[in-house]
This record gives sequence, C-alpha cells and structure tokens, in this order.
Amino acid sequence: AQTVTQSQPEMSVQEAETVTLSCTYDTSESDYYLFWYKQPPSRQMILVIRQEAYKQQNATENRFSVNFQKAAKSFSLKISDSQLGDAAMYFCAYNDGGATNKLIFGTGTLLAVQP
Amino acid sequence: EPEVTQTPSHQVTQMGQEVILRCVPISNHLYFYWYRQILGQKVEFLVSFYNNEISEKSEIFDDQFSVERPDGSNFTLKIRSTKLEDSAMYFCASSFKTSGGQETQYFGPGTRLLVL
Repeated sequence: AQTVTQSQPEMSVQEAETVTLSCTYDTSESDYYLFWYKQPPSRQMILVIRQEAYKQQNATENRFSVNFQKAAKSFSLKISDSQLGDAAMYFCAYNDGGATNKLIFGTGTLLAVQP
Repeated sequence: EPEVTQTPSHQVTQMGQEVILRCVPISNHLYFYWYRQILGQKVEFLVSFYNNEISEKSEIFDDQFSVERPDGSNFTLKIRSTKLEDSAMYFCASSFKTSGGQETQYFGPGTRLLVL
C-alpha cells in the first residue's frame, strides 16, 4: 500500500526567509501525482502545488516550488520569502491516478512564521 | 472562481442520532469524495463517488455511512447512528477527471461534527 511520510511535525521560519518542508512516499507505481495542501487555522484545505511524476521539471507556483526526486521518492516543498499568511499546517498527498483518485495524506507539518 | 461548499459548518448531535452532511461540488466536476480529519490527525479518505455509484470506500466507511447525489447539485454523507468516535471534520471534495489524466481535487471548507 502506498504511504506518505512527513518527518517534521513542526517547522519555524523567519518572515522573508526560505523554508523547506520534507515529504517522502512509498509506491510501486511509475505514474502518479503528488500534492501539497495548506490548512490554515480555519481548517480549509487549500491546494498549494501539484506535480506529475512523469514530468522531470519541478513544479513552481509563485513563491512555492518543489524538489521532486523520483528515484528517492522524495517531494519537498520550498517556500521562498515567507509571509505571515503562510503559517499553517501543510499536508503532502499522493494519488496514483487510478479509477478512484483517492488522496493519501501525510501527517502534516505545522509551519510557524516569526515576524 | 467556482468552489465547493458545505453545510452546515458545525453540527452537534447526540450519540445514536442520524446526521446528514451536505456538499455542493463544483458544477462541471464528475468525481466526488468525502474525507475526514479527527482533531490533530491526518486527513483520511472515506469514499469516492462517480456516475451515481461508489467507486471506492475505505475501511472506515462501514454500514453506518452512506452517500447520495439526490439531485444534480448536492452530494450528501449520512451517518445513521453516530458514535463518539465519529467526531471529526468532514471534508467534501470534487474533481473533473479526463481520461488518461488526474485532475486536482478541490476541497470544501468542511463540516465540524461533534458527537456528545
């Protein structure tokens, strides 16, 4: 069964600095999709970024980028120029794009941004 | 921008009572999902729904749970006889999957269910 591991329960970053959140996963599939979702205190799940496994190029969305290492099954999220509004729980999620499309989530990393 | 909506935002119920959680997915989406998140824990998949039937369900989704798309817009999750351990945030999500691809799932704001 596929699993997603986030080994950093909590992280802290200074405003305007850069932080990297780690995620590893386990799968025997060759084609799949990876996501980072942000969950602020309101507890809404907000998509941050997605990566298709068949694409070698790392996805970027403004200040958010990923380092996707397929062989190592690693998918880290880099947040540049951190802002106070980035403070949230961040979940890494995996989807094998199969018939049901269910997402498998990691346990999350709580990011604090210090002013 | 289209979004998934959920009602109610909060629900308090007595153990053994039935609850219905409602969701309105994004209008052109074809796949619908329910997830749950117990406080302090990760988000867990409950069920996926496509073409008016369940595509997959998790071990959590036992006979106490059911889903329905009663009309062209709503998607509901019913818990027939609630238990204390059903207390959680319940998220609805929807996606529009094309053949050979995987579309992003968009989440609603969640319904916080408290069973007393």
